[in-house]
Order: sequence, then C-alpha cells, then structure tokens
Amino acid sequence: AQSVTQLDSHVSVSEGTPVLLRCNYSSSYSPSLFWYVQHPNKGLQLLLKYTSAATLVKGINGFEAEFKKSETSFHLTKPSAHMSDAAEYFCVVSGAGRRALTFGSGTRLQVQP
Amino acid sequence: GAVVSQHPSWVICKSGTSVKIECRSLDFQATTMFWYRQFPKQSLMLMATSNEGSKATYEQGVEKDKFLINHASLTLSTLTVTSAHPEDSSFYICSARDAGTSGGAGGKTQYFGPGTRLLVL
Repeated sequence: AQSVTQLDSHVSVSEGTPVLLRCNYSSSYSPSLFWYVQHPNKGLQLLLKYTSAATLVKGINGFEAEFKKSETSFHLTKPSAHMSDAAEYFCVVSGAGRRALTFGSGTRLQVQP
Repeated sequence: GAVVSQHPSWVICKSGTSVKIECRSLDFQATTMFWYRQFPKQSLMLMATSNEGSKATYEQGVEKDKFLINHASLTLSTLTVTSAHPEDSSFYICSARDAGTSGGAGGKTQYFGPGTRLLVL
C-alpha cells in the first residue's frame, strides 16, 4: 500500500521569499516520487521526479526537492517565489511495479506581491 | 517534451446523452494511459488504467459500464461517459506513461493532458 500526505492545504508567501511545500509518503516498496503543478483550469505539469538516484532532485522553474528516507519526506522548495508560481501543487507517489499514481490532497500556493 | 492532448477541452451536454473524450500522446507511444477525475478544489482520483489492446482496469467504485474506455492504438485512448447525469459533471484528466523514460514501472514519467471539463445539464 502507498499513500502521500501533504501537510499544508494552503501556503502563502511574499514574492521573492522562499517556498516550502511539505510532503510525507508511505510505501511498501522503494517509491518513485513526483511533484506536479496545476494552474487554474489547466492540466498537470511535471516539476520533478525522484527514482532512487540522487536524493536532491532539481526540477523546472527553480524548484527542487530532497528525498529523505529516514523522515519519509519529499519536501518541495524554491529559494525565491515568483507571482507565476501561484498554483496548486501535488505530491505524488508510485511504488515499484505499480504504474498508477497516488496523489496527495494538494497544496495551494499563494504569492503575495 | 512529451505532449498529451485531450479533446474536447469543454463539453456541455444534456442529461441522458453520451460524451466521448479523446486522449492522445502526440510525440511518444503509450502502452498505458490513465483516466482521472477531479472535483473542484480536490485532488485527482484514479478512475481506470487503460492498456493498449486489452481491457481497462477500473478502480473500486467506478462503473465500467458507465465509463467506457477504449485504447485502440499506442497513441489514443478514449473515455465515453454513457447516459451522463449531472453528478458526472467534473474535470476529467488523462495521462500517458512514456515507455521510453527511465525508471521501473513505477518510475516512468506520466504526462498529463490539459483536461476536459464536462457539464451535464
């Protein structure tokens, strides 16, 4: 079984300040982990993924995430928020041999000017 | 990068009619596609896994006779909502798994379509 918990439903930051979106996972297998972003009324875009290679994963638009097995966490960070980062972010887990994805409940990021 | 398209992007229909939604992988082959449903301000819920040339696998609670899935080629899967009712109104999103990307079955990248918003009157 696998699951993912996004610890914050809403996060609000000021433009230019750091972003931290928290995600904890549970998986019976060595998991693959993903972060997707969804802008209003749009589909999902892959930000980054972890598949048992380097634990610090760099993605698009300046985002990165660190896989910490001891903490079962895969938090998403960005040094400096931009207005265009305002969107819904989903942490997603996929276990070995399981092709479907399990989505977290999502975190809505607001960026204040 | 890999692109997945969906058609139509918006559909409004009367109760009792059937609606077909297409999902295409434009620049890669996808032996497996997935169909998700998303209610407002909620996360995505997997409805079914579509496998090219074989029957779809439905998640628990999803009526296979109501949500017909056909994956006739390596680049096309269709979802038909039969005898649609207002409670079927939702945002339907497909994804396609790129068989060419790295990672085991669980790690292969999935690319998502832009979604289809269905409103049943």
